[in-house]
Amino acid sequence: NAGVTQTPKFQVLKTGQSMTLQCAQDMNHNSMYWYRQDPGMGLRLIYYSASEGTTDKGEVPNGYNVSRLNKREFSLRLESAAPSQTSVYFCASNGGGGSNQPQHFGDGTRLSIL
Amino acid sequence: GENVEQHPSTLSVQEGDSAVIKCTYSDSASNYFPWYKQELGKRPQLIIDIRSNVGEKKDQRIAVTLNKTAKHFSLHITETQPEDSAVYFCAAISGYALNFGKGTSLLVTP
Repeated sequence: NAGVTQTPKFQVLKTGQSMTLQCAQDMNHNSMYWYRQDPGMGLRLIYYSASEGTTDKGEVPNGYNVSRLNKREFSLRLESAAPSQTSVYFCASNGGGGSNQPQHFGDGTRLSIL
Repeated sequence: GENVEQHPSTLSVQEGDSAVIKCTYSDSASNYFPWYKQELGKRPQLIIDIRSNVGEKKDQRIAVTLNKTAKHFSLHITETQPEDSAVYFCAAISGYALNFGKGTSLLVTP
């Protein structure tokens, strides 16, 4: 039981390049989330998927797109990377049902945009 | 949307002392308040949570209190140990969004 798995763990991009961050969970959770973490800013919600087939914007969605591929997988795409998107990205999941259930986090993807 | 304020931003205590971290929130509809511990370079890990139908919850050396009227909640760590050194985040739910405070860096010195 791996929990929440994120790939890749590290990535360096050039400005304007695109890439997709992958996230998969094996806990049969309904809801999945993408956060970014910047120094001194805590974690900020980018997008979430309350259930398979739905996605919604969080606090900082600009510059990102998401796909809930199936119940297990939720990907985050940067279409044209910018230096301001340099951050640590965390995926999380929980059982849903109003979301007042603990969220379980992956190990993160450390992304640098040059 | 929900606004979560967390204080202090840094906290240094001696081993064996208690540590208290306080958070306030703005959305009166929030009903779930988790606390996460994050060690350097690691994922945030849930250490305790509380729902709005209770005022206090304990788990060994960790306790959380909630005052819904005042919209504030606190984390209490007793008998601190060096391995408690980490960044602690409070959060409050608003709809499906979990809104985090900016974190408290706790240092426990031997």
